[in-house]
Amino acid sequence: KAGVTQTPRYLIKTRGQQVTLSCSPISGHRSVSWYQQTPGQGLQFLFEYFSETQRNKGNFPGRFSGRQFSNSRSEMNVSTLELGDSALYLCASSLGLGSDTQYFGPGTRLTVL
Amino acid sequence: AQSVSQHNHHVILSEAASLELGCNYSYGGTVNLFWYVQYPGQHLQLLLKYFSGDPLVKGIKGFEAEFIKSKFSFNLRKPSVQWSDTAEYFCAVNAYTGTASKLTFGTGTRLQVTL
Repeated sequence: KAGVTQTPRYLIKTRGQQVTLSCSPISGHRSVSWYQQTPGQGLQFLFEYFSETQRNKGNFPGRFSGRQFSNSRSEMNVSTLELGDSALYLCASSLGLGSDTQYFGPGTRLTVL
Repeated sequence: AQSVSQHNHHVILSEAASLELGCNYSYGGTVNLFWYVQYPGQHLQLLLKYFSGDPLVKGIKGFEAEFIKSKFSFNLRKPSVQWSDTAEYFCAVNAYTGTASKLTFGTGTRLQVTL
């Protein structure tokens, strides 16, 4: 089975712009979660989607949003980018049973100038 | 809210030395526990997991971890490390509510294995 794929792998944006990141889960997985990884804050949970519904949300401002499509693919959007949004954004997929294992993609490295 | 503590931030070992990385979590309910590894330039990979049953779990590449419920701990061990084990190791807890799941990660331990 193919693993979790994320596009693009690298992005450079300027402050104030917005960005959309994409994630394709492992075939058959219905849950997609997003995490932000930074040297200072480590890995932090952003949100989880299951069957096109946001099922859980972390402590991030409303500038961070996401959605999931009927084929379980997910997108994450960050509006009005700030310098502090520079990070590795990781997507993870799981079957969606709530207690199962999450498998991670390679991430999208976002740099905000 | 749950939290995860990894006590060792940077560990340097010689090849063939034994490894133990500490992980403690804070949560009163049922948890699933994980160790993930991130090799240089690669993405997070699952090393091992504990859901229930035998508290001593074995993972890939000779790693094992022991869940001690009374101590809220899930320490990672390997009897003899190799240079290729150089990586960052993350302990994670999934305090699932029956529907939603959310992984809470520790800050990570950077392991450097010298020849």
